[in-house]
Amino acid sequence: DAGITQSPRHKVTETGTPVTLRCHQTENHRYMYWYRQDPGHGLRLIHYSYGVKDTDKGEVSDGYSVSRSKTEDFLLTLESATSSQTSVYFCAFWTGANYGYTFGSGTRLTVV
Amino acid sequence: DQQVKQNSPSLSVQEGRISILNCDYTNSMFDYFLWYKKYPAEGPTFLISISSIKDKNEDGRFTVFLNKSAKHLSLHIVPSQPGDSAVYFCAASVETSGSRLTFGEGTQLTVNP
Repeated sequence: DAGITQSPRHKVTETGTPVTLRCHQTENHRYMYWYRQDPGHGLRLIHYSYGVKDTDKGEVSDGYSVSRSKTEDFLLTLESATSSQTSVYFCAFWTGANYGYTFGSGTRLTVV
Repeated sequence: DQQVKQNSPSLSVQEGRISILNCDYTNSMFDYFLWYKKYPAEGPTFLISISSIKDKNEDGRFTVFLNKSAKHLSLHIVPSQPGDSAVYFCAASVETSGSRLTFGEGTQLTVNP
């Protein structure tokens, strides 16, 4: 555990249902991120946050929303899951230019 | 627009030999470059970084080279070990624009015993 945990680790959900993924950090970092990893695309930024209630969109934000009501928690919500959102989702916080991000262990989401 | 590109999806080398992973970028504003390693079912972990004011950075068996004129960086692993088998992502950032990283597609490295 590098000070960041994601839950759940695995989830299977049906098309059209809402899904919330949770990211929790214990190191009081301001900057947090949600990425998705897909074959052939690498890691793509979904949303990010520069602090409590301060969030912005990344390059693949359609169909996703986020909330950050406390420094330690960054939630990613799929309002109505689609099969194209089947992916592995990673949360991260920023540790500085030299080291970049510390990532969580990921959530594997399958939408059927 | 893929600003960071890893053109080789996979690379296979023999144990003890050199592994060279390549990465190209298009945004001349990038001023920090990083490599991450990812094992299955785990998150990516930081491996090594380089600032644009340098052309080489070394850490043990890992060396990153930066060629700004060619907008190219490479990661050298010498000697390669079976435990190095993983997906390697290169990433880049523009320090003045904040802390967002742009990642390449990743290269699966397999080191054969």
